[in-house]
Amino acid sequence: DAKTTQPPSMDCAEGRAANLPCNHSTISGNEYVYWYRQIHSQGPQYIIHGLKNNETNEMASLIITEDRKSSTLILPHATLRDTAVYYCIAGGYQKVTFGIGTKLQVIP
Amino acid sequence: KAGVTQTPRYLIKTRGQQVTLSCSPISGHRSVSWYQQTPGQGLQFLFEYFSETQRNKGNFPGRFSGRQFSNSRSEMNVSTLELGDSALYLCASSYDIARGNSPLHFGNGTRLTVT
Repeated sequence: DAKTTQPPSMDCAEGRAANLPCNHSTISGNEYVYWYRQIHSQGPQYIIHGLKNNETNEMASLIITEDRKSSTLILPHATLRDTAVYYCIAGGYQKVTFGIGTKLQVIP
Repeated sequence: KAGVTQTPRYLIKTRGQQVTLSCSPISGHRSVSWYQQTPGQGLQFLFEYFSETQRNKGNFPGRFSGRQFSNSRSEMNVSTLELGDSALYLCASSYDIARGNSPLHFGNGTRLTVT
């Protein structure tokens, strides 16, 4: 799996869009970008994944740069329940490695 | 569709004992992975099973073992428990992790406390 780099923490005002960046400059051509989040004391929750096209589902949007070296997870209207640690993973073919993620704090 | 089920939810053991944790994957998922999560080390990969075979293994001592049954259910065992084994143990299932386009779906874990 490719190494990923995320900011350790971010704040977002409730109701605003939360944009979480991830750098994966060593990603190979057939590796997917996955996003998960973990709310305290629960197992990580799958959010979205993509290969090279932008993706959207009911939870979030994923924007992947054309060179695939970075991506952004967008929560369009953040709520207090979106406060969690967000993990960006690049790869998934072998053992999946989680970094420290980004702790997103949604502020009322 | 039912999610990933892990039992028990909480467990307290003493040093030297052994423990078995159970995981039932989402129906149709054939790959099961196990992770250990501690405040200091984060989420660390233990091993992954597919079709009853261990396909990948993380850097954990041999005291940590697992198996997968023909119905894809999985168990992990930790023998000779140490205080440092206290952690949240998470199980994740996917259709087939090796396909690359197969997200992991996690259970809520088993919280193991070793005293």
